[in-house]
Amino acid sequence: QVQLVESGGGVVQPGTSLRLSCAASGFTFSSYGVHWVRQAPGKGLEWVALMSDDGSNKYYADSVKGRFTISRDNSKNTLYLQMNSLRAEDTAVYYCARAITAVAPIEYWGQGTLVTVSS
Amino acid sequence: QLVLTQSPSASASLGASVKLTCTLSSGHSGYAIAWHQQLPEKGPRYLMKLSSDGRYTKGDGIPDRFSGSSSGAERYLVISSLQSEDEADYYCQTWGTGYQLFGGGTKLTVL
Repeated sequence: QVQLVESGGGVVQPGTSLRLSCAASGFTFSSYGVHWVRQAPGKGLEWVALMSDDGSNKYYADSVKGRFTISRDNSKNTLYLQMNSLRAEDTAVYYCARAITAVAPIEYWGQGTLVTVSS
Repeated sequence: QLVLTQSPSASASLGASVKLTCTLSSGHSGYAIAWHQQLPEKGPRYLMKLSSDGRYTKGDGIPDRFSGSSSGAERYLVISSLQSEDEADYYCQTWGTGYQLFGGGTKLTVL
């Protein structure tokens, strides 16, 4: 079955960096678009970034553009999110998610990893 | 500007039916959406894709109690024979080239 397992969350200070990973299994990773979506404590879902199946297209929410970078290693079935210049407002559970294509709804979600940005 | 609007809360009795609404902003009534369920302290779960004509395609293992319908700019999630485990947050979502957008979510309470 489709599995998406995030890792790499933790407590970091403002202005520092963190890299999240998402290990995918149960499907042909290289055939699907993949997203990062976050959820601040007690808040709703906010889309963060998207990468197409072959990695040729990347898109970002305005709130993270220029600070976050999405990437993937199809040989390792792994999605990454490099987060730089972290701010308190980046505190959230970060979910990895899969869609059929880059222009399609999300169909599978991971369980999330918590990132806390605090001094 | 594309916006998805959901009521913050809804409630219905055990065994009854409930209809949750997601409203697309003006000029965007032709958009398809997806519905997602988030149980307390869990990651979201995809329920279905719902087109503007009311056709829907459900995700793996989603019970028959869950269905969708559309009317104009409104997209509905209908849950029949409510069970206690249906108490959750429900989010609508839409998408386009280079973006994904979520509604603010509806917290469903089963009485």
